[in-house]
Amino acid sequence: DAKTTQPPSMDCAEGRAANLPCNHSTISGNEYVYWYRQIHSQGPQYIIHGLKNNETNEMASLIITEDRKSSTLILPHATLRDTAVYYCIVRVWNYGQNFVFGPGTRLSVLP
Amino acid sequence: DVKVTQSSRYLVKRTGEKVFLECVQDMDHENMFWYRQDPGLGLRLIYFSYDVKMKEKGDIPEGYSVSREKKERFSLILESASTNQTSMYLCASSPSEDNEQFFGPGTRLTVL
Repeated sequence: DAKTTQPPSMDCAEGRAANLPCNHSTISGNEYVYWYRQIHSQGPQYIIHGLKNNETNEMASLIITEDRKSSTLILPHATLRDTAVYYCIVRVWNYGQNFVFGPGTRLSVLP
Repeated sequence: DVKVTQSSRYLVKRTGEKVFLECVQDMDHENMFWYRQDPGLGLRLIYFSYDVKMKEKGDIPEGYSVSREKKERFSLILESASTNQTSMYLCASSPSEDNEQFFGPGTRLTVL
């Protein structure tokens, strides 16, 4: 799996958009970008994933650069409940393989 | 909604005890996984299973075994618990056609 780099922590004001960056400069053509988050004392929660097109769901948007070397997860209107550690993971769409979670970004949403 | 449940949220055991951690999923998923999570080390895969009675070693299988007798249940066994197995244990499941993994709430195990 390609390695990802994320800032260790970020703050965001409640109600504003939270933009979480991820660098994955060694990503290969068949690797997807996944985002998970983990709220304190809970298991990780899937947010979104994509290959090369931008993706949006009810939780977030995923913007992937054209060269696919970086991506940004956008939470459009952050709430206090979005305070969590956010993990960016790149991996092949491969049956039965595990996800490699790095240290992630600790997002604090401030009132 | 997919639901992955784990038998205990908190568990305290003594060194040398045999420990069973149970995980059940209700979405008929083929794949199930056991991870442990430690500060600064992220999640590390212990074992996974892609079918009933099938198992594969992950990155850190030493000191652990697993059992998958039924599709919905995946058990992690610590044959003789040691203090270095104090950790948060997370179970996950996924369907075979999709790599999105659904995680349980975790079991925080303390071995004294």
